[in-house]
Amino acid sequence: SQQGEEDPQALSIQEGENATMNCSYKTSINNLQWYRQNSGRGLVHLILIRSNEREKHSGRLRVTLDTSKKSSSLLITASRAADTASYFCATDNSGYSTLTFGKGTMLLVSP
Amino acid sequence: DTAVSQTPKYLVTQMGNDKSIKCEQNLGHDTMYWYKQDSKKFLKIMFSYNNKELIINETVPNRFSPKSPDKAHLNLHINSLELGDSAVYFCASSHPPSLADTNPTQYFGPGTRLTVL
Repeated sequence: SQQGEEDPQALSIQEGENATMNCSYKTSINNLQWYRQNSGRGLVHLILIRSNEREKHSGRLRVTLDTSKKSSSLLITASRAADTASYFCATDNSGYSTLTFGKGTMLLVSP
Repeated sequence: DTAVSQTPKYLVTQMGNDKSIKCEQNLGHDTMYWYKQDSKKFLKIMFSYNNKELIINETVPNRFSPKSPDKAHLNLHINSLELGDSAVYFCASSHPPSLADTNPTQYFGPGTRLTVL
């Protein structure tokens, strides 16, 4: 069954603006991972945040996790046209590390 | 120096045929997975293998049979293909979740786009 739900489903911004995507989930998790998928390509891992962490940074990416609200957010600062892709959150909650993916947010960054 | 590779990248075949997709990882991981991404981009776990043993089978029809000849390979064989099998299939690998202090990040292959006519 689906665990994560990303919001919004689609986001269109101009280069240089920040993009924020949210993810909500239903059950307790071991960790939450964000992935990027360019059109017709594979998944690229962005950030993993463990259940005992609240915030992580990687370059222009900032991820927060609020386990009390069962939600996470991905912030991309100073966006570029090359950031155009679908972004998925995935939760690891099975004990076997299988990931449950949300439906994704399609981000379009216009030059 | 590809981390997780899959072959073929594209597969077009007729209903009723049997086909295989191969996956190899050179990351030294013990755990491998198969995911299916449907036309609406929804990704769902199919199988999980740890050190060549099946751990998870998420109610996948038994026409799908994964085979792991060694821990670096997890192949997917599909019998009697149906129209609904058309999708993109992704292989992934990671360290086993039971190991403490390891990074549980999953690394994905480029995907195999299967089209059943």
